[in-house]
Amino acid sequence: NAGVTQTPKFQVLKTGQSMTLQCAQDMNHEYMSWYRQDPGMGLRLIHYSVGAGITDQGEVPNGYNVSRSTTEDFPLRLLSAAPSQTSVYFCASRGGLAVKNEQYFGPGTRLTVT
Amino acid sequence: AQSVTQLGSHVSVSEGALVLLRCNYSSSVPPYLFWYVQYPNQGLQLLLKYTTGATLVKGINGFEAEFKKSETSFHLTKPSAHMSDAAEYFCAVSVNTGGFKTIFGAGTRLFVKA
Repeated sequence: NAGVTQTPKFQVLKTGQSMTLQCAQDMNHEYMSWYRQDPGMGLRLIHYSVGAGITDQGEVPNGYNVSRSTTEDFPLRLLSAAPSQTSVYFCASRGGLAVKNEQYFGPGTRLTVT
Repeated sequence: AQSVTQLGSHVSVSEGALVLLRCNYSSSVPPYLFWYVQYPNQGLQLLLKYTTGATLVKGINGFEAEFKKSETSFHLTKPSAHMSDAAEYFCAVSVNTGGFKTIFGAGTRLFVKA
């Protein structure tokens, strides 16, 4: 079991560029989510999905798109990168939809937008 | 809506001393509570969680936490700190009526002095 994997580990973008952060899990988890981590702010939820074809917005969705075509994959797209999107991004998954279950996190993608 | 407050963004202890990281939550319904640890340049991993039942919860690496409903607290403790405990610790809360989301605190960075 690889768990939750994310690519790339590091990325530098120029303002206005677009890119996709990849996330995959091999645990057959229904729930997947994207967070951004900024100093002193903990983790803030960007988007989440409760199954293939179903996504919803989290706390800070502006500037990001997601899709869930398969159970395994949950990519995060930055449409037009801005310096405010400089952050560390984590993908997570959870077995079942019960919120009492813990989440499993990927290793993160460190994104810098210049 | 539920929320989490972690008291102290930084905590410093000597090796062998007691570790106490504070977490208070707000919720109008019974909460599920979690502590996650993040080692440098890694994703978060679960330390322990409280769902129902025994209010003293034991986790990995000698950590434990006690759910105190009257104080709305879920403080994390370890009797004797080790250098390898240096990391960032996040308290998190979720509730059955909160959609599928988990709310994270801002995090507490633990420093361990030799």
